[in-house]
Amino acid sequence: DVKVTQSSRYLVKRTGEKVFLECVQDMDHENMFWYRQDPGLGLRLIYFSYDVKMKEKGDIPEGYSVSREKKERFSLILESASTNQTSMYLCASTDTDTEAFFGQGTRLTVV
Amino acid sequence: AQKITQTQPGMFVQEKEAVTLDCTYDTSDQSYGLFWYKQPSSGEMIFLIYQGSYDEQNATEGRYSLNFQKARKSANLVISASQLGDSAMYFCAMRVYNQGGKLIFGQGTELSVKP
Repeated sequence: DVKVTQSSRYLVKRTGEKVFLECVQDMDHENMFWYRQDPGLGLRLIYFSYDVKMKEKGDIPEGYSVSREKKERFSLILESASTNQTSMYLCASTDTDTEAFFGQGTRLTVV
Repeated sequence: AQKITQTQPGMFVQEKEAVTLDCTYDTSDQSYGLFWYKQPSSGEMIFLIYQGSYDEQNATEGRYSLNFQKARKSANLVISASQLGDSAMYFCAMRVYNQGGKLIFGQGTELSVKP
């Protein structure tokens, strides 16, 4: 069965902390994505990657960075967490011809 | 720039009736795919249906059909014979294949099915 796993379901971090959100897929997919989901705004693309060590900015990359050292793992990094980064974060992966498969989401609260 | 617009924040439908959820998109690329996802209150994202930009026929999957009007750049989802379990958020999405496979979503429509 296809699986995308995010490292945490819930996280609480302090303002200014460096935060790592991890995502692992077991489908050998080329493409991986990070989104944040906020009420009324839908899913907004932060970063995506179409190959190992390759990354592209999405629509809201400010305050975030990503890392993809291995094909199966895509990490989202908040360099210095702020309260306006409190949100639900969703990771997804896909191949060229398939739909995207999503992780269960990480609800991040920055206090 | 690419964009997906869902103009209906919330909708109600009576059980067993059909409902149409609107989606318009904007891209200058010729090769793209359009998707609909369902997100129930549990939070999981469930893939419903896909339409490729070169597909001439509208996609159908069971009670779901996608009304694809390329000239209008619209990709509306039609759910026939609504069920109580259809109550959820619905997201329209577009994948642009010439840009590394970028996948973007709309704002979502919350559908409530009344018994």
